[in-house]
Amino acid sequence: DIQMTQSPSSLSAFVGDRVTITCRASQSISTYLNWYQQKPGKAPNLLIYAASTLHSGVPSRFSGSGSGADFTLTISSLQPEDFATYYCQQSYDTPPTFGGGTKVEIK
Amino acid sequence: QLQLQESGPGLVKPSETLSLTCTVSGGSITRSSYYWDWIRQPPGKGLEWIGSVYYIGTTTHYNPSLKSRVTISLDTSKNQFSLMLSSVTAADTAVYYCARPGIWSGHSEVGAFDIWGQGTMVTVSS
Repeated sequence: DIQMTQSPSSLSAFVGDRVTITCRASQSISTYLNWYQQKPGKAPNLLIYAASTLHSGVPSRFSGSGSGADFTLTISSLQPEDFATYYCQQSYDTPPTFGGGTKVEIK
Repeated sequence: QLQLQESGPGLVKPSETLSLTCTVSGGSITRSSYYWDWIRQPPGKGLEWIGSVYYIGTTTHYNPSLKSRVTISLDTSKNQFSLMLSSVTAADTAVYYCARPGIWSGHSEVGAFDIWGQGTMVTVSS
């Protein structure tokens, strides 16, 4: 299985801050990388697919970049509703695998 | 708007079989070339993909870590797909989600889960 490693596992930031989360794959996955936001008690919501394409309805403050094995999710100006846990997921190979998550807290 | 809804027992005894159903509403489960998937999340932990079934039920894929215990099937007459997980233990306690990887880029489906059910908590305990 392809292992996905996210960092940091948690962070705390102010409203308006720029936040970056990284995701590293155990092998090259081209751009088969997706990002999700999950709020407590809810199912994950797709934010970004194919490493950098914003899913329909997702605010433009979210962006993704990377290819190969290293990827980033950036929130350009953190909003109070962005308090959540973020997961990366590779879809290059079966089984699809997820990172361990990054919990974003608002200071 | 396509919606997914999980249903099934919230409590299963150890060594028994966990059975869940996902009902698809707002569209036909056989309308397009989609896979239909199950994903789980133990309390306070991350996400684990369980497996998938193709829209015409001819093909299934399972996580190798669960393959010997998992069966995913389609019931097109009821617009549902189902999960069976045998010989459960406490380690199978989790929120179980049904989901659809429905994002296409060109002629390829990219493997991103764009539609999820709300999830159902299953506890394995005697």
